[in-house]
Amino acid sequence: GAVVSQHPSWVICKSGTSVKIECRSLDFQATTMFWYRQFPKQSLMLMATSNEGSKATYEQGVEKDKFLINHASLTLSTLTVTSAHPEDSSFYICSANGGQTEAFFGQGTRLTVV
Amino acid sequence: QKEVEQNSGPLSVPEGAIASLNCTYSDRVSQSFFWYRQYSGKSPELIMSIYSNGDKEDGRFTAQLNKASQYVSLLIRDSQPSDSATYLCAVSRRFGNEKLTFGTGTRLTIIP
Repeated sequence: GAVVSQHPSWVICKSGTSVKIECRSLDFQATTMFWYRQFPKQSLMLMATSNEGSKATYEQGVEKDKFLINHASLTLSTLTVTSAHPEDSSFYICSANGGQTEAFFGQGTRLTVV
Repeated sequence: QKEVEQNSGPLSVPEGAIASLNCTYSDRVSQSFFWYRQYSGKSPELIMSIYSNGDKEDGRFTAQLNKASQYVSLLIRDSQPSDSATYLCAVSRRFGNEKLTFGTGTRLTIIP
């Protein structure tokens, strides 16, 4: 299957700082990337959908000014958590799709805000 | 009503037996159905995809879809301890490039 690389795999940051998470499709061009968040013992919840070269579409209840998404190329999307707070601590997972019927997931990023 | 419902478990199955996982969904126009396996602290891994009514087999795994009943299931034959994980059912409205709606997952434990 296609490979999606997500970096970093874990990060600890201080409250009030910003954190950037990268999602790269390594062997295909991802026209669409999705960002999910998963709290402990809960399922994945879609945060936003990003299409290359256009603004991301955010799900209801997700603050677009807090979770900045950039999809500047067909192989890279970034999620920046701005002014992070402890309640933003979660497992963030990206998935990428380049026209296949299935989306491929990155390894996930464990964010801990202290 | 949740969009995608699964029994949260835990479901315990003896090694070598068949594990049966169930999922129902509410959106009648759903077209694509997926089963993902997620180990603790890891990202979901695609196990099976199914798009039309009936059964689809891949090795020890069989997915079953009944669109009229809005029901999709996953059978795991000859269960192994390595199958112990949380299984997530996911649904989307279209084929490809479409966001997934996940169930809360069923935690499966295979007992040696």
